[in-house]
Amino acid sequence: SAVISQKPSRDICQRGTSLTIQCQVDSQVTMMFWYRQQPGQSLTLIATANQGSEATYESGFVIDKFPISRPNLTFSTLTVSNMSPEDSSIYLCSVDQTSGEQYFGPGTRLTVT
Amino acid sequence: QKEVEQNSGPLSVPEGAIASLNCTYSDRGSQSFFWYRQYSGKSPELIMFIYSNGDKEDGRFTAQLNKASQYVSLLIRDSQPSDSATYLCAVTYDYKLSFGAGTTVTVRA
Repeated sequence: SAVISQKPSRDICQRGTSLTIQCQVDSQVTMMFWYRQQPGQSLTLIATANQGSEATYESGFVIDKFPISRPNLTFSTLTVSNMSPEDSSIYLCSVDQTSGEQYFGPGTRLTVT
Repeated sequence: QKEVEQNSGPLSVPEGAIASLNCTYSDRGSQSFFWYRQYSGKSPELIMFIYSNGDKEDGRFTAQLNKASQYVSLLIRDSQPSDSATYLCAVTYDYKLSFGAGTTVTVRA
């Protein structure tokens, strides 16, 4: 499976600020995904990021709050904008291998104070 | 996202026993089915996937799929303390994953 890295691994941010999370894959992949895992909860898909097109957002998530970039087939960023304490979560990127399985990066643990 | 339900936990089993995890899903169009293991503070790790009705075995893990009943399960044989984790059932529809809430398994030594 692909090797996926995320930066930063964790951060503590002030309310009202923004944080950009990076996801790097060691091989080219068509589809990358961004998930959120709130404390004690399961994973919720935020958006699908395809290279060369706009990200596709799930219900309840909007581009102004979670802008996503996908400049090439190995890299994507997710920005959490105008943060509030409710945004405190683990943010995970995943990639879809050609066989359909998704593999996850190590995650970014975000705390908003 | 589509609904995925898992049997409520936590599930405690003695070492060497079989742990049985169940999952049902709402959308008959779901195409692929996955089990992830998540240790505390770590990201989910894919341990099993199944696409066709029936059983699929990989080491001590067996996944079972019944599309007519919209049911998928995971059996962990000869449970070890290292199997203590939260197990997440995930279902795809149109390449997107929907996750269940997870079942936390504790294996007692």
